[in-house]
This record gives sequence, structure tokens and C-alpha cells, in this order.
Amino acid sequence: EPEVTQTPSHQVTQMGQEVILRCVPISNHLYFYWYRQILGQKVEFLVSFYNNEISEKSEIFDDQFSVERPDGSNFTLKIRSTKLEDSAMYFCASRVGWDNLNTEAFFGQGTRLTVV
Amino acid sequence: KNQVEQSPQSLIILEGKNCTLQCNYTVSPFSNLRWYKQDTGRGPVSLTIMTFSENTKSNGRYTATLDADTKQSSLHITASQLSDSASYICVVSASSGTYKYIFGTGTRLKVLA
Repeated sequence: EPEVTQTPSHQVTQMGQEVILRCVPISNHLYFYWYRQILGQKVEFLVSFYNNEISEKSEIFDDQFSVERPDGSNFTLKIRSTKLEDSAMYFCASRVGWDNLNTEAFFGQGTRLTVV
Repeated sequence: KNQVEQSPQSLIILEGKNCTLQCNYTVSPFSNLRWYKQDTGRGPVSLTIMTFSENTKSNGRYTATLDADTKQSSLHITASQLSDSASYICVVSASSGTYKYIFGTGTRLKVLA
């Protein structure tokens, strides 16, 4: 069964460093998302991406964040200068089409980012 | 502000028992509501999807209800199993051109033998 894969599963980085979280969405999907979940809190929307551009972003997604689809398969989230409060589980999701009953979003297993 | 609230925050039940989880939302305009199961350290997995016109939807031992008038939903789990131990998250989508899901706070369910 096709699935969204994320790498690495866990990344530890020093405050101020840049990190890139990688995702391989399901191959025929067109809409891509990043969400994050701070430990013990609810999942929060970061950004959606369609047709090689950002469709929507939350207030969390400030200038230190960027997304890119560098080739036909990968979808990356870059955090330029990590802060302690960026420590969270980051989930990538993809969907084949527009949000209706036939286009479920599938989530990856997540990357746990720890900023020290 | 679009919000999704769930109760209880956590729940412990014995294996074989039934339980009901609650979700209240203020998302507008409403498109659909999903219930997700999230195992610890894993991504959410969809259990059910319901639109405005649907009152009940079942998926095996999971039955979701939706009252669009009161903006409430419930997830009923029948004959619980140890593997049901997880967080259950209510997720709502708006229909105004947004691409995002709005996640609830989740209910952490623990099933004991």
C-alpha cells in the first residue's frame, strides 16, 4: 500500500542551526502539507503546497520556515535558524486532490525534531 | 476563531467495554469532520469521514455521529481491545477554499486487560 515516508525519524540539532526535514509523498498526489505537534499538544497546521507554490500557511510558518519540492518526488521543510520551541514532531501529509470525501490526506510517520 | 475541542482529555477502560468520545467544533463554514487514531509517535490514521448531511458512519467497531446543528460529534468504540489504546483526534475541514485540517485536542484512550 502506498505511504508517505519521512526522513529522518529523529533529528537532534543545536539551536541556531538549519535543518531540512524530508518527505516523499504518495506518487500521484498533488497536494502536500506540513503539520507539527509539540509534545503533549494538538497537531497544528503549518503550510499547504500545490502546483509548486504555497497555497496557505499558518501564523506559525514565519520567515524561518520554507518549503520546496526540489524534484518530482521529495517535499522538504527547511527551518533556517532553529529555536528551542521548534522542538516537535513534524508530520508531512499528501492528498491526491481537493478536499472531498474521495481525497483523504495520508500522513507520514513523522520526524521528531529536538533542538538543544 | 475556528476551534475543535474534545472530551474527555483521557480515558481508561477495561478490555471489552464500550466508550464514547466527544467533539465540539466552531469551524465555519463546515465541510467535513474526520476521526483519526494516532498511536504514540506515529502519524494520524483516518477512521471515519462525515459531511454535513451524514448523521452516522461506522467503520468496524468504530461508529461516529454528527449533529451539524449543535456542531457536535462523537466516536463510539464497541468491545474495546488493547490495540485501541491510542489518541483519538477529531479533525474538521472548512469549505471556504482552505486546504488545512483543524485538529482537536485529542482524547488519550488506555485499554487495560
